[in-house]
Amino acid sequence: DIQMTQSPSSLSASVGDRVTITCRASQGINNYLIWFQQKPGKAPKSLIYAASSLQSGVPSKFSGSGSGTDFTLTISSLQPEDFATYYCQQYNSYPYTFGQGTKLEIK
Amino acid sequence: EVQLVESGGGLVQPGGSLRLSCAASGFTFSSYSMNWVRQAPGMGLEWVSYISSSGTTMYYADSVRGRFIISRDNAKNSLYLQMNSLRAEDTAMYYCVRRRFDYWGQGTLVTVSS
Repeated sequence: DIQMTQSPSSLSASVGDRVTITCRASQGINNYLIWFQQKPGKAPKSLIYAASSLQSGVPSKFSGSGSGTDFTLTISSLQPEDFATYYCQQYNSYPYTFGQGTKLEIK
Repeated sequence: EVQLVESGGGLVQPGGSLRLSCAASGFTFSSYSMNWVRQAPGMGLEWVSYISSSGTTMYYADSVRGRFIISRDNAKNSLYLQMNSLRAEDTAMYYCVRRRFDYWGQGTLVTVSS
């Protein structure tokens, strides 16, 4: 199975900050990576697919980059509604696997 | 508008069975493969199972293989998850998710407890 490791596990930031979350795969995943945002009590929402493609309707403040085994999600100009938990997921091979999540909190 | 609506969750005793359903609308269901993903309370996301658009190919997580069965009825625009031999560690919110994880249902809660 491909292991997905996110860092950091938690992150404190202020409104207006820019933050970066990292996701590392235990082997190459051909850029088959999705980033999700999840708010308490809600289903996850897809932000980025294929490592760097913005999902329809998602603001451009969210961006994804990386290739091979190392990927990043960058969120610019944080707003109160961006404070949530973020997950990466590989869909290169079964079983699909998720990172453990990064909780983004207000400083 | 794409909609996925899960149902069938509830409280069940260890060793029991439950069948989850997902009603799909707003897209051509028969053209899309589907997944089930679960999330234990306060925990992360776990992919559970996949089924191809025709229903002929299925994959399972090791944690549920041999106990859970995914199926679909394209005529009814519905996805199912038959869960047998349930364990306490199967307690979770179960989400129905479209092929590329672009659309998720609201989830249905399964609690396995005596």
